[in-house]
Amino acid sequence: GAVVSQHPSWVICKSGTSVKIECRSLDFQATTMFWYRQFPKQSLMLMATSNEGSKATYEQGVEKDKFLINHASLTLSTLTVTSAHPEDSSFYICSAPPIKSYEQYFGPGTRLTVT
Amino acid sequence: AQKITQTQPGMFVQEKEAVTLDCTYDTSDQSYGLFWYKQPSSGEMIFLIYQGSYDEQNATEGRYSLNFQKARKSANLVISASQLGDSAMYFCAMREGQHNNDMRFGAGTRLTVKP
Repeated sequence: GAVVSQHPSWVICKSGTSVKIECRSLDFQATTMFWYRQFPKQSLMLMATSNEGSKATYEQGVEKDKFLINHASLTLSTLTVTSAHPEDSSFYICSAPPIKSYEQYFGPGTRLTVT
Repeated sequence: AQKITQTQPGMFVQEKEAVTLDCTYDTSDQSYGLFWYKQPSSGEMIFLIYQGSYDEQNATEGRYSLNFQKARKSANLVISASQLGDSAMYFCAMREGQHNNDMRFGAGTRLTVKP
């Protein structure tokens, strides 16, 4: 089946620094990728939609200047958490629907801890 | 606006028994897809089953079946012959319209299979 990878799988950073998370579709192309955030014991909340070749679309309440998204190619989207704070500590998951497929594949997630 | 409701925060089932996890949804779109995912403690999102709004028959995938009642806007997941490895969080999700639209999730149900 189709595979989506995320890197890194976990990261610990100090407050005030920036962290970049990569999401790659390994064996299919995706014009759109999605970024979700999941706090402990909660559901996945959509943060933003990453569009190849155009600006990302952010959900209400998500700061676009803090969570920078770049969809550089049909197989790569990156999420940069700028000036990270402890409240940004969470599990970040990306997903991608292959072109012309009803399915949506999820990456394994990135656990971010900000100290 | 989309809304997915899972009213069972936690469920217990005896090994080898069947269990039903409830999911209701709200949409004004005619075209939509319903998904169930399993999330073990590792955090990965495992796709279980899909039901399209125009599909007349209930979807089945091995031990998983989706009880789709369109008029009631419910999409319950039935797991037959429960196994200890089925213990996990289960999320119902919906995507309206095209395949590259975003997916929204319910709050989830934690299933525990007892030996």
